[in-house]
Amino acid sequence: QKEVEQNSGPLSVPEGAIASLNCTYSDRGSQSFFWYRQYSGKSPELIMFIYSNGDKEDGRFTAQLNKASQYVSLLIRDSQPSDSATYLCAVNESGTYKYIFGTGTRLKVLA
Amino acid sequence: DGGITQSPKYLFRKEGQNVTLSCEQNLNHDAMYWYRQDPGQGLRLIYYSQIVNDFQKGDIAEGYSVSREKKESFPLTVTSAQKNPTAFYLCASSQGADYGYTFGSGTRLTVV
Repeated sequence: QKEVEQNSGPLSVPEGAIASLNCTYSDRGSQSFFWYRQYSGKSPELIMFIYSNGDKEDGRFTAQLNKASQYVSLLIRDSQPSDSATYLCAVNESGTYKYIFGTGTRLKVLA
Repeated sequence: DGGITQSPKYLFRKEGQNVTLSCEQNLNHDAMYWYRQDPGQGLRLIYYSQIVNDFQKGDIAEGYSVSREKKESFPLTVTSAQKNPTAFYLCASSQGADYGYTFGSGTRLTVV
């Protein structure tokens, strides 16, 4: 069974700090990796995707990928209370159109 | 604006009833998906479809059925065989494996 694992949290950080969210996956053939943000009672929204090893930056968000270690992370700089949400890691199941989701990490940014 | 529309937003089902959740997209995406989310849990795949008139079971298909007669539409029926249907149901679509999903706003189903 292919899996994606995340620490459920909650991860609490003070406003203005860097939040670091981590995800490991078991499918060595996976090629595309995504981070979704889900506010309570709402549907997930895509915030970052990454395909290649290394870092990818978009505004306050940085996604990091290490395929050798099967590890994906999301850094949120200058965290704001509005960033408080559950962050879902999703990994493409190799050879399919399907994505495997982690159970999510709940982030709380304290004002 | 392009997007995915799910309806209804809230749905109440009596014991023994079948109910159908609607999902319509105008993004011209080939692939569509249904997920179930239970409180504090991740997304579990129910069914998915890559092209019209074709669909595959996901991890928890028992008690559910789908159809894909049009590219834009992928309705989900929750049958009476699904013994624990209370959950948040999410429909998604995708251009392909590298593009991620666009999600609808979800349907919250409750058994009464």
